[in-house]
Amino acid sequence: ETGVTQSPTHLIKTRGQQVTLRCSSQSGHNTVSWYQQALGQGPQFIFQYYREEENGRGNFPPRFSGLQFPNYSSELNVNALELDDSALYLCASLIGPVGTEAFFGQGTRLTVV
Amino acid sequence: AQSVTQLDSQVPVFEEAPVELRCNYSSSVSVYLFWYVQYPNQGLQLLLKYLSGSTLVKGINGFEAEFNKSQTSFHLRKPSVHISDTAEYFCAVSDLAQGAQKLVFGQGTRLTINP
Repeated sequence: ETGVTQSPTHLIKTRGQQVTLRCSSQSGHNTVSWYQQALGQGPQFIFQYYREEENGRGNFPPRFSGLQFPNYSSELNVNALELDDSALYLCASLIGPVGTEAFFGQGTRLTVV
Repeated sequence: AQSVTQLDSQVPVFEEAPVELRCNYSSSVSVYLFWYVQYPNQGLQLLLKYLSGSTLVKGINGFEAEFNKSQTSFHLRKPSVHISDTAEYFCAVSDLAQGAQKLVFGQGTRLTINP
């Protein structure tokens, strides 16, 4: 039990639609990271938010965006969904922007049809 | 940029046998290294981490790993596995990118325990 919860657990969307995934971090963890895990692959870093500002980004296009709120919750938004966006999306909370331990949620399985 | 290679995509072993899951990382001045476990339809759980100090790191569930700087390896071991250890295991290295703590993961090793 990591204290990090994600919703929904599963989601099916149509190509071209927009989706919002949600994460509730541990209390006191002011940093959240999002990862995309395609089937059979390791997770890939999408971006990180620290004190409600994006402070690091991986190789993902601008249609992947996020928000972080003062109550330790955050969102991942994906616009113009493509079939290749089908994956498990994981959020992780950290103590500080360079925290050495990431606490992961159980993930949201997104299927784009 | 950092990279991680997990040398085995699948490792089948019998229950109570020892196991080693291999991980190599790209060299850097200093690294933080991690092993995570993922059970079916779940997120990632930290098994152990190396930040500094002793090169032999002990983690949860009887797992341990050894940091070898000269070979740039961080192999995971368990002396006697159980059916419940069946899962996907990921090695990861930290990479500070633009002031953010980015984890770079390997492709994963599927550990299957046979009775």
